[in-house]
Parts: sequence; structure tokens; C-alpha cells
Amino acid sequence: EDQVTQSPEALRLQEGESSSPNCSYTVSGLRGLFWYRQDPGKGPEFLFTLYSAGEEKEKERLKATLTKKESFLHITAPKPEDSATYLCAVHKGQGGSEKLVFGKGTKLTVNP
Amino acid sequence: GAGVSQTPSNKVTEKGKYVELRCDPISGHTALYWYRQSLGQGPEFLIYFQGTGAADDSGLPNDRFFAVRPEGSVSTLKIQRTERGDSAVYLCASSLTVGPYEQYFGPGTRLTVT
Repeated sequence: EDQVTQSPEALRLQEGESSSPNCSYTVSGLRGLFWYRQDPGKGPEFLFTLYSAGEEKEKERLKATLTKKESFLHITAPKPEDSATYLCAVHKGQGGSEKLVFGKGTKLTVNP
Repeated sequence: GAGVSQTPSNKVTEKGKYVELRCDPISGHTALYWYRQSLGQGPEFLIYFQGTGAADDSGLPNDRFFAVRPEGSVSTLKIQRTERGDSAVYLCASSLTVGPYEQYFGPGTRLTVT
């Protein structure tokens, strides 16, 4: 069964303290891995798509990397406004399905 | 430009009632997806449309759930005989076309069944 596991479930950082939460997946035939940010009471906001091992994408203080088994979201010198839940999702595309399979997310809190 | 919109933002209904949730995708997006999110969980796939047809409805929990997209744009998720376990946030997303491309989500409809 396809699984997406994110760790840790919750992460508390001080402003400026870097960390790299993880997304591991057991999916055959991965066609894409996605990172989203979700604020309370809102829908997920697209951040990155990664398609192949070794690929990296960067946006402000966030950088996503991908290996054959996992992805990391590197958060460098975070600010309180980076506090949110970060969701990872994989796209298989096999059997005609185009759905995303999501992990439970990492809830990030950045204290000033 | 305008993003994905969903109405209503909140819906409270009594057990056994019928509800309709509406999704208006980004203009020009041919693929539309419905997900359901419970507290502390990631979104869970329900159904997706390519154009007017439901291409994969394997995530619908049972036959009380049904969705349509008659003109290939706006979609409605319909839930009959609602149960308390249906309470969740229902999210809609759209993408330019099907495939491993980014899906853009709406703000969701929070459904509470009392």
C-alpha cells in the first residue's frame, strides 16, 4: 500500500533556528512529489514540485530536496511567519489515477 | 487572477439531511479534484474530473456521496443522508490538466453534521 510519512508531526523552533523535516514515501512509480503549506482554516498553498532524485527547489527560506525514498524541507533561519503545517504529497499516475496521496503534515511553530 | 473558490465556507446540517458543496475552479483548468480533510490529517482524495466526466471516483466513501461537473467548469459535491462521521473540511483543487502537475486548492467548506 502506498504510504507517505512525515516526521516530526510537530516542530517548535526559535526564530533563526534551522531544521529539516522529512517526508518518506513507499510508492512505486513516483511521478512527482509536492510540498504544500497550510495555515489554520485555509486550503493548502502550493510550494514545490520535485520530479526526480537529486532535484532541488528553493523559495525564500525554504528548500526542498528529493531522494529515491524521501524528501526534506530545509527551513533556514525561519521567522514566526513561517509557522504553518507543511504537507507532503506524492503523485503516482498509475492505473489512470491522478490523485495526490498526502502525509499528515509537520506542524511548525517558530517562536520570536 | 482569481483562485479556486468554494461555497459555502461553513455548513451546519442535521443528521440525515442532504447537502451540496460547490467548487469554482481556476479559469481554464480542465482537471478538478475533491478531497476531504479531518482534523490533524492530510487531505484524502475523493474524486477527480477531467472535463465533464468523473475519471476516478475511487475515493468516495459510499454511495451517499456523488459529484458532478456538467459543463466542465463548476463542480458540486452532493452528500445524501448525512452522518456525523461526514463532518470534515471538504477541499476542492484544480490543475491546468491531468498529470503530475501542481494542484491549486480552494479555502474549503467546513461541514458539521449535528
